Amino acid sequence: AQSVTQPDIHITVSEGASLELRCNYSYGATPYLFWYVQSPGQGLQLLLKYFSGDTLVQGIKGFEAEFKRSQSSFNLRKPSVHWSDAAEYFCAVVRGTGGFKTIFGAGTRLFVKA
Amino acid sequence: GAVVSQHPSWVICKSGTSVKIECRSLDFQATTMFWYRQFPKQSLMLMATSNEGSKATYEQGVEKDKFLINHASLTLSTLTVTSAHPEDSSFYICSARPSGGYEQYFGPGTRLTVT
Repeated sequence: AQSVTQPDIHITVSEGASLELRCNYSYGATPYLFWYVQSPGQGLQLLLKYFSGDTLVQGIKGFEAEFKRSQSSFNLRKPSVHWSDAAEYFCAVVRGTGGFKTIFGAGTRLFVKA
Repeated sequence: GAVVSQHPSWVICKSGTSVKIECRSLDFQATTMFWYRQFPKQSLMLMATSNEGSKATYEQGVEKDKFLINHASLTLSTLTVTSAHPEDSSFYICSARPSGGYEQYFGPGTRLTVT
């Protein structure tokens, strides 16, 4: 069965430090991959997506993610974290069959300390 | 672009009454819309997939007679929680997928409290 794993329930980084959020997926074919961010009490905002081509994708708010097929990973990175980046981050996979449902990871809560 | 609105943003209702939540894609057409439920500090739970002009597809364990979904146009889907009970209190989020696309754009969510 398809699944998305975000190994870290929460991460704390200092403001200005670099960030990497991990995401691993289990899917037979090349999936469509996404990262979303959710601020408290809000809906989700699309940060970036990967369908094909260049495995390093750029998103909004200075985020980027790299697709590594050999590791079944799609980790999210940011070189310098801002306090406003504190939020919940969800990795997601769209299956190419079965109605193109989106499967979400459990989420990683990012805390930013001054 | 790609804005999805939800109305209301929060609602309090009495047990036994019905509540309707609207989800609109404001600047794109969405053949498919999704309804999710989110419990505190948890991920999203897909309730149903709504396709314009056809019946919604409900996930296992979701009561279709309790959570009525209507997708009357390419920009509007509604979720009606019928005979609401306190256990239906939750954060409901809709999303819309642009026609021909794979990504979803999410509404800001609706906080439902049933007293």
